[in-house]
Amino acid sequence: KAGVTQTPRYLIKTRGQQVTLSCSPISGHRSVSWYQQTPGQGLQFLFEYFSETQRNKGNFPGRFSGRQFSNSRSEMNVSTLELGDSALYLCATRDPPSTGTQYFGPGTRLLVL
Amino acid sequence: AQTVTQSQPEMSVQEAETVTLSCTYDTSESDYYLFWYKQPPSRQMILVIRQEAYKQQNATENRFSVNFQKAAKSFSLKISDSQLGDAAMYFCAYRSGDDKIIFGKGTRLHILP
Repeated sequence: KAGVTQTPRYLIKTRGQQVTLSCSPISGHRSVSWYQQTPGQGLQFLFEYFSETQRNKGNFPGRFSGRQFSNSRSEMNVSTLELGDSALYLCATRDPPSTGTQYFGPGTRLLVL
Repeated sequence: AQTVTQSQPEMSVQEAETVTLSCTYDTSESDYYLFWYKQPPSRQMILVIRQEAYKQQNATENRFSVNFQKAAKSFSLKISDSQLGDAAMYFCAYRSGDDKIIFGKGTRLHILP
């Protein structure tokens, strides 16, 4: 099976702009989670989607949003970008959710100038 | 709320030696999963090993094994016969009963030739 893919891999934006990141899960995986990884804060959970519904949400402001499509592909959107949003954004997929084991994508590295 | 603590931000080990990475967690749940993930430099995060809390036997995967002490809420990872390819950031993670996954801040492992 093909692994988790994320696009784009690298992105440079300026403050105030918005960005959309995409994650395509492993075939058959219905759960997609998003994480923000920074050197200072480590891996922080953003949200998880399962069957097009948000199941869990981390402690991030409303500028961070996501959605999942019927083919399980997921997008996350960050509006009004701030310098502190510069990070590696990882998506992880699993199926069924109860197994717990997640498979990670390579990440999208976002730089906000 | 559950927390995961990795008290060693960085560690070094001589090639072919054994190293143990520490992880403690705090929870009031009795049924959960624990994981160790490995993130090599500029590469994808991969699962190293996982442990179901209801299992008393420590999980083992080739050179990787865990010491799971449920009462002490401790979940350390032992890497035997360390190899250069083991150099990476290692994350301990906890999956709660409501299906949230919490990561520790990671331990960067250096392998000395």
